[in-house]
Amino acid sequence: KAGVTQTPRYLIKTRGQQVTLSCSPISGHRSVSWYQQTPGQGLQFLFEYFSETQRNKGNFPGRFSGRQFSNSRSEMNVSTLELGDSALYLCASSRGLAGELEKQYFGPGTRLTVL
Amino acid sequence: TQLLEQSPQFLSIQEGENLTVYCNSSSVFSSLQWYRQEPGEGPVLLVTVVTGGEVKKLKRLTFQFGDARKDSSLHITAAQPGDTGLYLCAGEETSGSRLTFGEGTQLTVNP
Repeated sequence: KAGVTQTPRYLIKTRGQQVTLSCSPISGHRSVSWYQQTPGQGLQFLFEYFSETQRNKGNFPGRFSGRQFSNSRSEMNVSTLELGDSALYLCASSRGLAGELEKQYFGPGTRLTVL
Repeated sequence: TQLLEQSPQFLSIQEGENLTVYCNSSSVFSSLQWYRQEPGEGPVLLVTVVTGGEVKKLKRLTFQFGDARKDSSLHITAAQPGDTGLYLCAGEETSGSRLTFGEGTQLTVNP
């Protein structure tokens, strides 16, 4: 079974630009969660999508948004990039069954650098 | 938001030594997970502990969940260079699939 894939792996943008990151979950998984990882803050939860609906949301500004398609693939968008948005963005997929303890499978991440 | 504090942040030891990493919170979690992350990769789940006082062993790694489900520890016996990596603890909030991560412990095992 193929793992979680994220594209692109590396991205360099300048302040004020916007960026779209993509995540393809494991086949059959309907939940995709996004995390931001930085050396100072660690891994922080951005949001989770399940069946094309945002089910959970972290404490990030509205510049961070996402969506999920009918095939469970998910995209994350960051608008008006700031230097502080430089980070490793990770997505994780799971079956997403509510009330059940499930294993989340992480992708390798997209390394975003904002200059 | 529930917070998890990990200690130590950095640990550099010699091959064959033992070590313990701690994960503490003032809040209760329904479960706690430990991950290991290597450079250029996403975190990989090592273990999940659910019951207060639970102890799980994975070869040379021993994981314990505190009785009150607020803290956890990871003990590695006879560390090897292959154990090098970033160890992350993550608590599952009672509300569902949202995970709260600690900042991680960067472990380096020198040959």
